[in-house]
Amino acid sequence: NAGVTQTPKFQVLKTGQSMTLQCAQDMNHNSMYWYRQDPGMGLRLIYYSASEGTTDKGEVPNGYNVSRLNKREFSLRLESAAPSQTSVYFCASRPKSDRRQETQYFGPGTRLLVL
Amino acid sequence: ELKVEQNPLFLSMQEGKNYTIYCNYSTTSDRLYWYRQDPGKSLESLFVLLSNGAVKQEGRLMASLDTKARLSTLHITAAVHDLSATYFCAVGGGSQGNLIFGKGTKLSVKP
Repeated sequence: NAGVTQTPKFQVLKTGQSMTLQCAQDMNHNSMYWYRQDPGMGLRLIYYSASEGTTDKGEVPNGYNVSRLNKREFSLRLESAAPSQTSVYFCASRPKSDRRQETQYFGPGTRLLVL
Repeated sequence: ELKVEQNPLFLSMQEGKNYTIYCNYSTTSDRLYWYRQDPGKSLESLFVLLSNGAVKQEGRLMASLDTKARLSTLHITAAVHDLSATYFCAVGGGSQGNLIFGKGTKLSVKP
């Protein structure tokens, strides 16, 4: 049981390049989330998927797109990377969105540097 | 709009001392979470607090929730070096399980 996995672990992009961050969970969770973490800013929600087939914008969605490929996988795409997107990206999952007692489980993170 | 404020943002403690981290939030919420993050690592769940007056303890850490004051505290008892990490509180912001995070408290415990 690997939990939440993310690939790649680290990536360097040039401004304007595109890339997809991959996230998968093997816990049969319904809800999945993408956050970015910047120094001194805590974690900010980019997009989330409450269940398979649905996605919604979070606090900072501009410049990103997501795909909930199936129940296990939730990818984050940067179509045209900008230096402001340099950050650490965390994927998280949660059993069901409507159960208050359930916490989110986080992946190891992807460190992205945009030059 | 739900906002979450933690203080202090930085905390340097001596081993053996006690201290409290505070988490204030701006609007009503029915759930609050505490996470720990070690440098360069992911977030690990510590506590889930769901009701007014809830108190949970794990080792030297104790978390409490006062929903009327919109305040949660994380109390550290007799700190040890292994507790050095960044601690985040997060408040439930909607029906989809979304969380609004505080900026984190970076704790450094020195001998």
